[in-house]
Amino acid sequence: QQQVKQSPQSLIVQKGGISIINCAYENTAFDYFPWYQQFPGKGPALLIAIRPDVSEKKEGRFTISFNKSAKQFSLHIMDSQPGDSATYFCAARDGAGGTSYGKLTFGQGTILTVHP
Amino acid sequence: EAQVTQNPRYLITVTGKKLTVTCSQNMNHEYMSWYRQDPGLGLRQIYYSMNVEVTDKGDVPEGYKVSRKEKRNFPLILESPSPNQTSLYFCASSSKGLAGWEETQYFGPGTRLLVL
Repeated sequence: QQQVKQSPQSLIVQKGGISIINCAYENTAFDYFPWYQQFPGKGPALLIAIRPDVSEKKEGRFTISFNKSAKQFSLHIMDSQPGDSATYFCAARDGAGGTSYGKLTFGQGTILTVHP
Repeated sequence: EAQVTQNPRYLITVTGKKLTVTCSQNMNHEYMSWYRQDPGLGLRQIYYSMNVEVTDKGDVPEGYKVSRKEKRNFPLILESPSPNQTSLYFCASSSKGLAGWEETQYFGPGTRLLVL
């Protein structure tokens, strides 16, 4: 059973545009929501993360929006650049109360292409 | 330099021949985990460890074993590999910050395994 559903599978954006990737989850015990960026031939890299008591977190051009009631969260990449072209994964962790580490479940991934 | 190392990076083996993929981190992180990445399925967690001698199953633990005898090492063992374990494997380590929830996380470069 896929507990974290990610969309779209692929996304093409023009340079300077906004890239938006969405994720939805079912398990209300999730309490940590990271996003990862993966370039071809490389391991994933933690990009930005949010916890459910915050509705938005911004780091540079990357913003996570979180809607706890809808059980959805999204990644927004402002002023998208060709160097942002990569695969992006959302994930969610059951933190067992937030003081421990739990199982991490990933979305299926989104291949982002930013055209110059 | 903070890093997670995996060995071997590439491995071709035959069904039933036991193998071990090593993972080592130099950051004194408590949390380590193993993932497999397959096209269309994204990343799936195999096992994770919250500290020495503490391990737990992820989403796809069948056919795998792990051990955490030292904090820096977290080997993945395939006792009797089968073709459906052909995949790209990633090890990761992480540690929580002072806030208690935000993590610093690093992934290894990956091990590409082919089981014939």
